[in-house]
Amino acid sequence: NAGVTQTPKFRVLKTGQSMTLLCAQDMNHEYMYWYRQDPGMGLRLIHYSVGEGTTAKGEVPDGYNVSRLKKQNFLLGLESAAPSQTSVYFCASSYRRNAEGYGYTFGSGTRLTVV
Amino acid sequence: GNSVTQMEGPVTLSEEAFLTINCTYTATGYPSLFWYVQYPGEGLQLLLKATKADDKGSNKGFEATYRKETTSFHLEKGSVQVSDSAVYFCALPNSGNTPLVFGKGTRLSVIA
Repeated sequence: NAGVTQTPKFRVLKTGQSMTLLCAQDMNHEYMYWYRQDPGMGLRLIHYSVGEGTTAKGEVPDGYNVSRLKKQNFLLGLESAAPSQTSVYFCASSYRRNAEGYGYTFGSGTRLTVV
Repeated sequence: GNSVTQMEGPVTLSEEAFLTINCTYTATGYPSLFWYVQYPGEGLQLLLKATKADDKGSNKGFEATYRKETTSFHLEKGSVQVSDSAVYFCALPNSGNTPLVFGKGTRLSVIA
């Protein structure tokens, strides 16, 4: 089925380690987003991309980097993981940036624990 | 930028009860408004939307009306089921054509 696929689904990191979360979509969506979900905080935007080769900062970008080398993939990197980055990470994509009439399609999430 | 405020949960209801989850917004102009639902262990799914003032969005028995006078977009359902147990999020674009901003979510539990 068409949609947004996130890998891995679960990961435990030690403080200071690095990792990359992969998001892939097969709907030919132009825009892609990374959010983190924390208890009592809702979803907060980390970074987003409005097209291949572009990225932009969201509300909470510190400690993360992203790349959009191919239209269908959006990578989220943690250079030196910290316990504060323990969270559930969601990738989403949309045909248009403000989701007018289309909405976002979300992946099923990556649960990351940093110890 | 724009923002949304949702009622805090959790909300616990018996099956067939009436549901209201309040959402108020602060925005420049009249942006589209959205409700998303997150079932346990899953990502968010678009539940319904309204793209202009006075519009009513509806889906799966849920409804929400875009009310500019009260800057509200409350989610309602006349008779909830156990399968409606989930977390519900209100959302709108931050400003202009920017990514969505989400409320903190309201957890609904429906008991048989």
